[in-house]
Amino acid sequence: DGGITQSPKYLFRKEGQNVTLSCEQNLNHDAMYWYRQDPGQGLRLIYYSQIVNDFQKGDIAEGYSVSREKKESFPLTVTSAQKNPTAFYLCASSIDLHRGEREQYFGPGTRLTVT
Amino acid sequence: AQSVAQPEDQVNVAEGNPLTVKCTYSVSGNPYLFWYVQYPNRGLQFLLKYITGDNLVKGSYGFEAEFNKSQTSFHLKKPSALVSDSALYFCAGTSGTYKYIFGTGTRLKVLA
Repeated sequence: DGGITQSPKYLFRKEGQNVTLSCEQNLNHDAMYWYRQDPGQGLRLIYYSQIVNDFQKGDIAEGYSVSREKKESFPLTVTSAQKNPTAFYLCASSIDLHRGEREQYFGPGTRLTVT
Repeated sequence: AQSVAQPEDQVNVAEGNPLTVKCTYSVSGNPYLFWYVQYPNRGLQFLLKYITGDNLVKGSYGFEAEFNKSQTSFHLKKPSALVSDSALYFCAGTSGTYKYIFGTGTRLKVLA
């Protein structure tokens, strides 16, 4: 899982509560990403950040928020507005190798269960 | 819309036999294509990528993939499967932007 840590590994919350998932990388990568994984649906992009203090919505950003105050950190907040928050959340980072070529490295994931 | 398709939910193969996991893509421009493997409750591990150049790409753990532009395919292959290869495999593509498109995944089961 490279130099990306996600904590905690398992997270349980009651419906209506906001929850923040941690993602830290020590790879000195500029870009970071949050994906959601559901069975049979592959990975869907929630948010990504190309540089510090900048981030962009992905395909399923509704009900989520992020911040990128430091290069190493890209926390994801799952708000009470997210209708189906129970899922496996994966954080990734990438380095630019050549123009347009970048490799993503993934963290170990956080499994969030909301009841 | 751009897409990556993995037509098989599961592939079963006997240990020692060759394996193929299929992937087709619809990505604008020159595609950058990737294969990742995921073990239970873990993150994705990079296997190999196609950027440009040779159509046959070699990657980790003896895996290789063949880029076929005319068929818009990027199938993952291995000459001799191991039980330890059993996992979930994802194909992904991008046109060079930060938005990667992932397939839905193919579960590979290698039978002893």
